[in-house]
Amino acid sequence: DAMVIQNPRYQVTQFGKPVTLSCSQTLNHNVMYWYQQKSSQAPKLLFHYYDKDFNNEADTPDNFQSRRPNTSFCFLDIRSPGLGDAAMYLCATNRAKMNTEAFFGQGTRLTVV
Amino acid sequence: AQSVSQHNHHVILSEAASLELGCNYSYGGTVNLFWYVQYPGQHLQLLLKYFSGDPLVKGIKGFEAEFIKSKFSFNLRKPSVQWSDTAEYFCAVNPDSNYQLIWGAGTKLIIKP
Repeated sequence: DAMVIQNPRYQVTQFGKPVTLSCSQTLNHNVMYWYQQKSSQAPKLLFHYYDKDFNNEADTPDNFQSRRPNTSFCFLDIRSPGLGDAAMYLCATNRAKMNTEAFFGQGTRLTVV
Repeated sequence: AQSVSQHNHHVILSEAASLELGCNYSYGGTVNLFWYVQYPGQHLQLLLKYFSGDPLVKGIKGFEAEFIKSKFSFNLRKPSVQWSDTAEYFCAVNPDSNYQLIWGAGTKLIIKP
């Protein structure tokens, strides 16, 4: 059974039109991450939540925001998508301790037209 | 700064050839080590992981990796590759000082039938 679920799998949005991607987990992990992955590149961490504490990476554009209303759900909001924001967006969770692995969702592929 | 290096960005092999992909990290403390695979158009999947114990770990699909602490390395190997191994392979490290994953740049592997 899928433990980290991302919706939708594919999202097409118009240039400048706000879009929200969602992630849910059944693992009760305290950390949730959002990554952006462009073709043939490593995942790039945008931000993460440690419980309710939001941690933004220094180079994450202000255009990207996130919400975590409860342990199970986390949302990625792109306020004004540009063509350069087209990418795969990955959600991941872990327990923030050693000897545990991160679990990834299947990703949402975002296309901006 | 902590970093992960994957020496080869592109590798092309014929079927049945042996494979070794290099991964080195820069951190002197305790680490958890991972190899992820991403097949064309698909999401990240965990190939294998090392937490502790036997430094030779076996993963799915006939892959194995060896942790050599003195060399700060975690190289991925497979004795005989198949066309279906065509994918991108990412090495990732979780140092004990930081619960987040640090990613290598990835190696794109192409297997010629």
